[in-house]
Amino acid sequence: GAVVSQHPSRVICKSGTSVKIECRSLDFQATTMFWYRQFPKQSLMLMATSNEGSKATYEQGVEKDKFLINHASLTLSTLTVTSAHPEDSSFYICSASRNREGGQPQHFGDGTRLSIL
Amino acid sequence: AQKVTQAQTEISVVEKEDVTLDCVYETRDTTYYLFWYKQPPSGELVFLIRRNSFDEQNEISGRYSWNFQKSTSSFNFTITASQVVDSAVYFCALSEAVTGNQFYFGTGTSLTVIP
Repeated sequence: GAVVSQHPSRVICKSGTSVKIECRSLDFQATTMFWYRQFPKQSLMLMATSNEGSKATYEQGVEKDKFLINHASLTLSTLTVTSAHPEDSSFYICSASRNREGGQPQHFGDGTRLSIL
Repeated sequence: AQKVTQAQTEISVVEKEDVTLDCVYETRDTTYYLFWYKQPPSGELVFLIRRNSFDEQNEISGRYSWNFQKSTSSFNFTITASQVVDSAVYFCALSEAVTGNQFYFGTGTSLTVIP
């Protein structure tokens, strides 16, 4: 199956730090990548949709200046949590899709557990 | 309105029992896709199955089977002879042709298989 690598898997850092999370599709070109946030025992909440070569589309309520997304190539998207605070602590998951057509499975990374002290 | 409903929040079964996870969806699109993903305690989401709206055939893969019924807008997932390794959170998701590859996830069902 398709492989999506997400790095780092776990981050613990001080409040005010900026944290960058990488999402790479290893064996296919991902036209679209998605970033989700998941709170304990809850479903995945879509934060933004990232299309290669264009600006990310953010969901309502997600601060684009807080969560910077870059999708510079067909195999790499990054999420930077700027000036992180304890309330940003969460499990962040990326996924990649081969194209924008409906019906394409999303292939998920292993997630990044972010803890802000 | 929520597009995917997984009414069962938590289920516990004893090993070797069969268990069915329910998924009800809502869409006005005639072309849509349904998915099931497994999220074990380690956190990664594992793709299990995709079904398109034009294919109502039930599918069996080993101990897993899926029942797709458009008449009731349901896409239920059955695990036969459950095993401890089946313990995980299972998510049902909907993708509509009109909205491209965006997923609408259900709230998930946490399955615990007791040895």
